[in-house]
Amino acid sequence: AQSVTQLDSHVSVSEGTPVLLRCNYSSSYSPSLFWYVQHPNKGLQLLLKYTSAATLVKGINGFEAEFKKSETSFHLTKPSAHMSDAAEYFCVVSDRGGTSYGKLTFGQGTILTVHP
Amino acid sequence: DTEVTQTPKHLVMGMTNKKSLKCEQHMGHRAMYWYKQKAKKPPELMFVYSYEKLSINESVPSRFSPECPNSSLLNLHLHALQPEDSALYLCASSLVGGTSSYEQYFGPGTRLTVT
Repeated sequence: AQSVTQLDSHVSVSEGTPVLLRCNYSSSYSPSLFWYVQHPNKGLQLLLKYTSAATLVKGINGFEAEFKKSETSFHLTKPSAHMSDAAEYFCVVSDRGGTSYGKLTFGQGTILTVHP
Repeated sequence: DTEVTQTPKHLVMGMTNKKSLKCEQHMGHRAMYWYKQKAKKPPELMFVYSYEKLSINESVPSRFSPECPNSSLLNLHLHALQPEDSALYLCASSLVGGTSSYEQYFGPGTRLTVT
């Protein structure tokens, strides 16, 4: 069984300051991990993915995440927040569990607010 | 091209209506998914198609009927829905096979309101 815990339901930052969105996971298999972003009334956009290559993963729009197996964490960071980063972010774990495709398990989401 | 398209963007239907949601992708993905998302919640998986065959039905009521006519197209037929079925319906697609899990690409969703 797999699960994802996003440690903060809301994060508020000022424009130009760093962003940290925290995620812990558990998985019975070697997991693939993703961060998705969802702007209001939109679909989900893939920000970045970890699939057992480099532990520091760079994504779109200046975001990156570090996979730490010992801490079972996959926190999302960005050095400098932009107003357009305001959205909901989902940490997602996927393992194939014997299937030919990945079944996603979503965290509950973190709403990021960016103040001018 | 990493685009998944969904039509319509918005749909309002009565409880006795029959309607369909459509999803299309041209990325060569052989797995396609339907999700339901309520406000302020993560998406919930409804159905998975792999190589045009239904692989997962997450105990979805029969008033939702999926169909995968070909490898690029996924439909969700709706009949006799309830007001609590109002939600954002998301379609996604991914590669299959190999040894790792592949990322899913999501469409923009259909906002469904049942009156």
